[in-house]
Amino acid sequence: GAVVSQHPSWVICKSGTSVKIECRSLDFQATTMFWYRQFPKQSLMLMATSNEGSKATYEQGVEKDKFLINHASLTLSTLTVTSAHPEDSSFYICSAKKTGMNTEAFFGQGTRLTVV
Amino acid sequence: GENVEQHPSTLSVQEGDSAVIKCTYSDSASNYFPWYKQELGKRPQLIIDIRSNVGEKKDQRIAVTLNKTAKHFSLHITETQPEDSAVYFCAASISRTNAGKSTFGDGTTLTVKP
Repeated sequence: GAVVSQHPSWVICKSGTSVKIECRSLDFQATTMFWYRQFPKQSLMLMATSNEGSKATYEQGVEKDKFLINHASLTLSTLTVTSAHPEDSSFYICSAKKTGMNTEAFFGQGTRLTVV
Repeated sequence: GENVEQHPSTLSVQEGDSAVIKCTYSDSASNYFPWYKQELGKRPQLIIDIRSNVGEKKDQRIAVTLNKTAKHFSLHITETQPEDSAVYFCAASISRTNAGKSTFGDGTTLTVKP
């Protein structure tokens, strides 16, 4: 199988605080993981590409200092939303690609972030 | 960069009828076109994909066609069932290996009425 798990599935935080979201590949190693943001009834927008052991590559318009990504191991990438504001409320989804294989990326179940 | 347009945004069909969703893309370098099904609040699931060297691919009730010259591809669902109700996204990327960096369409909300 190829299971990708995100934690937490949902989180409510106060404005100004930081929130960390984890993305784990449970049964495979993933050198590369991807973080997306999805607003209600809208498409997935790629935020950044997370590479194990190196800095993430951010898409144009995504603030790297606000959305901190760490990919410290082959099975875990984290996204930290710093100083969250209500406009950061969204559905955040990760996907992970099996290391060294020509396969598609597998999605996590998503994390619903609500900033109040 | 790549731009993917998807139509229609909503689609309602009667159970048993067929549903067709169409997408166009702009970057001729794109060679891999996956389709995802996303149920409310859940993760997108890859349901079928097609590469540029193939014009059509079928998997049971689902088929995808690709016209690389015209830069459009379509999803066809036959004999629709209520459980097919979901949001469907098309996407385009350079290759399957780069599917994580796909550009996604805006999605089509399919409702299958029993």
